[in-house]
Amino acid sequence: NAGVTQTPKFQVLKTGQSMTLQCAQDMNHNSMYWYRQDPGMGLRLIYYSASEGTTDKGEVPNGYNVSRLNKREFSLRLESAAPSQTSVYFCASSAQQNSPLHFGNGTRLTVT
Amino acid sequence: QKEVEQDPGPLSVPEGAIVSLNCTYSNSAFQYFMWYRQYSRKGPELLMYTYSSGNKEDGRFTAQVDKSSKYISLFIRDSQPSDSATYLCAMSEDSGGSNYKLTFGKGTLLTVNP
Repeated sequence: NAGVTQTPKFQVLKTGQSMTLQCAQDMNHNSMYWYRQDPGMGLRLIYYSASEGTTDKGEVPNGYNVSRLNKREFSLRLESAAPSQTSVYFCASSAQQNSPLHFGNGTRLTVT
Repeated sequence: QKEVEQDPGPLSVPEGAIVSLNCTYSNSAFQYFMWYRQYSRKGPELLMYTYSSGNKEDGRFTAQVDKSSKYISLFIRDSQPSDSATYLCAMSEDSGGSNYKLTFGKGTLLTVNP
């Protein structure tokens, strides 16, 4: 059972480039989330999807867009990357909105 | 004042020691309290989950909540090198405990030396 799978594991972008981070879960969870983790800042919620067909902004949504492609997949898009978006990005899922979170192993993104 | 404060450490202890990890918070509306463990280069995983005040024990781990002092603790008994990780506290004020209202601490890096 793979759980939450994120691709790619590492990425380097130049300022202004775009990219999409992919996330898929095989646990039949309803809710999915995107977090970023920065040194000294802790985990911060970017966007979440409470259920298939819905998405909502979290604490730090600026510069990002998301798509809940289906129940399994939730992607995060950076349209025009900035150095401030250098971070480790974690996708997570939960059975319901108040169920324990299951995290992927992260995508390490550097924007130069 | 930040909502959740957690000493980043690093904390280094010998194998077999009792470890105490702590978080303080300012929002008296927090009702759900969690501890996550994060190994290097991995995603966090849920260790303990408590609602309101009191203690909860699971094997070598005990979570304690003192709402009057706005203080939560995680105790690890008989610590093992495999406990070496970053420990994150998380809290939610939402009456339903919704994940999208979780506030995370910055994490404490723990090393248990053989």
